Amino acid sequence: AQKITQTQPGMFVQEKEAVTLDCTYDTSDQSYGLFWYKQPSSGEMIFLIYQGSYDEQNATEGRYSLNFQKARKSANLVISASQLGDSAMYFCAMRDTGGFKTIFGAGTRLFVKA
Amino acid sequence: SAVISQKPSRDICQRGTSLTIQCQVDSQVTMMFWYRQQPGQSLTLIATANQGSEATYESGFVIDKFPISRPNLTFSTLTVSNMSPEDSSIYLCSVDYGGYTDTQYFGPGTRLTVL
Repeated sequence: AQKITQTQPGMFVQEKEAVTLDCTYDTSDQSYGLFWYKQPSSGEMIFLIYQGSYDEQNATEGRYSLNFQKARKSANLVISASQLGDSAMYFCAMRDTGGFKTIFGAGTRLFVKA
Repeated sequence: SAVISQKPSRDICQRGTSLTIQCQVDSQVTMMFWYRQQPGQSLTLIATANQGSEATYESGFVIDKFPISRPNLTFSTLTVSNMSPEDSSIYLCSVDYGGYTDTQYFGPGTRLTVL
């Protein structure tokens, strides 16, 4: 069965510094997608970044990058130059290509300090 | 990216009543999903709603409690029936536009409190 593990319930980072949020996954599928979402206190889920299992390059989207290590089954999110507005809950998720379900990790709450 | 709206954005309801949540998408999509997020928890898929067919429910969720309609390719409703305080959650609509990444995009959510 597929599984997503986020081991950091909460993280603190100083404004303007970089932070890494950990995510490991387990799947027997060869083709899958990995996602990160941000959930502010308002409750909406905001899509941040995607990494395909066959993508050789790590995905980047502005200040977000995904450190993909396939052999280790990890897909860590790196946020560079943290901003106060980055304070939110962050969810790692996975979906097998052609599948219907996306599964989510437990989430990591990020606090950015001024 | 998607433009997805949900109504209502929040509601406070009495035990034993029902609430219908609407989800409207800006373009036609094949698959729509309904999720529940209980306080302090991650997202749990309730059901997948395809136009023209019955919704497919996940283990632990039944149609009598969470009836879903999908009358066309841009709209869906989720009803939370005979509510109890345990139903207090954020309910999120999600769509998949297809394409290479199979990314799911979410609506703003409906924050439900049951007294």
